[in-house]
Amino acid sequence: NAGVTQTPKFQVLKTGQSMTLQCAQDMNHEYMSWYRQDPGMGLRLIHYSVGAGITDQGEVPNGYNVSRSTTEDFPLRLLSAAPSQTSVYFCASRRSGDRKNQPQHFGDGTRLSIL
Amino acid sequence: GESVGLHLPTLSVQEGDNSIINCAYSNSASDYFIWYKQESGKGPQFIIDIRSNMDKRQGQRVTVLLNKTVKHLSLQIAATQPGDSAVYFCAENPPADKLIFGTGTRLQVFP
Repeated sequence: NAGVTQTPKFQVLKTGQSMTLQCAQDMNHEYMSWYRQDPGMGLRLIHYSVGAGITDQGEVPNGYNVSRSTTEDFPLRLLSAAPSQTSVYFCASRRSGDRKNQPQHFGDGTRLSIL
Repeated sequence: GESVGLHLPTLSVQEGDNSIINCAYSNSASDYFIWYKQESGKGPQFIIDIRSNMDKRQGQRVTVLLNKTVKHLSLQIAATQPGDSAVYFCAENPPADKLIFGTGTRLQVFP
């Protein structure tokens, strides 16, 4: 099992460009989520999905879109990148069922810089 | 290099000593708590979890203590090793599909 795989690992964009961050998991996890990590602020939830075809907003959803067409993939889209979106982005997944017995598993992140 | 963690509180310990990392959580309705370890350039890695109906849970070299009265969580690492050097995050889970993360503590282990 590869676990949670994120691509690319690094990316530099210009303001206004669009981009999709990819996330795939091979554990057949129904729950998937996206976080951003900024200095001194811990991880903050952007969007999450409890299964294919279902997505919901987290704490900081503005400027990001998601879709969930398959169980395996949960891409995060930046439609018009802004410098405030410079961050490290993490994707995570877990099994469905009792959330108190299913810690999330994280990928190794995408480091995104917006110039 | 990694820019995350520039302003984190830091705990420095000598190899072989015990480490205690503390965390205050915010939501009194949270009923599940998780500790994660994050090494440079990596994603958070699960260490140990605890449900709110417990006060203490032990793993291999790690113990988590939960004090719901003061909304406090701690992670104890026994016989700290250089490989334990990392940033440690606590996360609380209210009755919803969302985790709330703390800001993290950097653990530095000296020989």
